[in-house]
Amino acid sequence: DAKTTQPPSMDCAEGRAANLPCNHSTISGNEYVYWYRQIHSQGPQYIIHGLKNNETNEMASLIITEDRKSSTLILPHATLRDTAVYYCIAGMYSGGGADGLTFGKGTHLIIQP
Amino acid sequence: GAVVSQHPSWVICKSGTSVKIECRSLDFQATTMFWYRQFPKQSLMLMATSNEGSKATYEQGVEKDKFLINHASLTLSTLTVTSAHPEDSSFYICSANRAGYYQPQHFGDGTRLSIL
Repeated sequence: DAKTTQPPSMDCAEGRAANLPCNHSTISGNEYVYWYRQIHSQGPQYIIHGLKNNETNEMASLIITEDRKSSTLILPHATLRDTAVYYCIAGMYSGGGADGLTFGKGTHLIIQP
Repeated sequence: GAVVSQHPSWVICKSGTSVKIECRSLDFQATTMFWYRQFPKQSLMLMATSNEGSKATYEQGVEKDKFLINHASLTLSTLTVTSAHPEDSSFYICSANRAGYYQPQHFGDGTRLSIL
């Protein structure tokens, strides 16, 4: 899996958009970018994933740069419940099936009231 | 959406006992499941890949005789921590993904293991 780099922590005001950056400059052509978040004492929650096109679902938007070396997760209207550690992961599949995920330290997003 | 269930969510045991943790995919079949471990204030670390009908694949540094994995059906994988000691106390989490390339992994809610 390609190594990813994220800021260790970020603050965002409730109701504003939270933009979480991720650098994955060594990503290979067939590696997807996945975003998960982990709220304290729970298992990670899947948010979104993409290859090269921007993606949007009911939780968030994912913007991937044209060279695929970085991406941004956007939570459009952050709430206090969005406070969590957010992980950006590149990779996951090779050859015949899924690989285990390599988690970095992630970004601790704190939503301020 | 996909749901992965883990049981128990919390267990406290005396040192030397064995503990079994179950991981179930509730609405899909999973030929592959994964087991992770997370120590306090650290990130998740992959322990092993559980393959239905065959032996698990362990990451470097993980003792296969200590952490027994059984994946006897397409919806159930179990992790048994044998002769557990206080240093095995951790948060154990499993994941699984639907068949099909690039489907995301979905995680259970984890099992907090405390060995006294």
